Amino acid sequence: AQKVTQAQTEISVVEKEDVTLDCVYETRDTTYYLFWYKQPPSGELVFLIRRNSFDEQNEISGRYSWNFQKSTSSFNFTITASQVVDSAVYFCALSEARNSWGKFQFGAGTQVVVTP
Amino acid sequence: DAGVIQSPRHEVTEMGQEVTLRCKPISGHDYLFWYRQTMMRGLELLIYFNNNVPIDDSGMPEDRFSAKMPNASFSTLKIQPSEPRDSAVYFCASSPGTLGTEAFFGQGTRLTVV
Repeated sequence: AQKVTQAQTEISVVEKEDVTLDCVYETRDTTYYLFWYKQPPSGELVFLIRRNSFDEQNEISGRYSWNFQKSTSSFNFTITASQVVDSAVYFCALSEARNSWGKFQFGAGTQVVVTP
Repeated sequence: DAGVIQSPRHEVTEMGQEVTLRCKPISGHDYLFWYRQTMMRGLELLIYFNNNVPIDDSGMPEDRFSAKMPNASFSTLKIQPSEPRDSAVYFCASSPGTLGTEAFFGQGTRLTVV
């Protein structure tokens, strides 16, 4: 069963527009972490942000912000004022206490295309 | 630290040949993961180790695939015999496994089986 769902396959925006990526997860654990990773065209996977299940406070870090809502099991990620360098595939991932934090389960990814 | 190191970066092989992918995790990390990425199936977890012991290999596609971790600083993923459908990017990642720590990924090995 898919534990992390990213329903958006691709999002195309023009530079300076905001982009919001959706992530819905499924877990029976009360303790877990959620992550966002970025995979630019060069291919490497780069960690961006994490959020634990006990902290629903939304945060902003530079042009990145995230909205974590346990009630809807969602962990959405927003890029404000997008730039061409933001073009990449973005992955949402889940790590659960039941797996001793070792197992990371990734969503299918969302391709973001930012055009000038 | 140099990060997770994978070799080779690219591999082209003929169908039926044996392929061995290598990974050196970050020193001190207790968990090591092998992922496969394809357009069709996305990022799939193949197997992961904790302290050199395989914990979950349910993602290994079939008996042609095997993975070993003989010590804390080295792991291999072997495909024998290889098939064209094995063509993919294979990522190795490691993690300390502590509360909420992210997985650190290598650069990946792009495998092409012709």
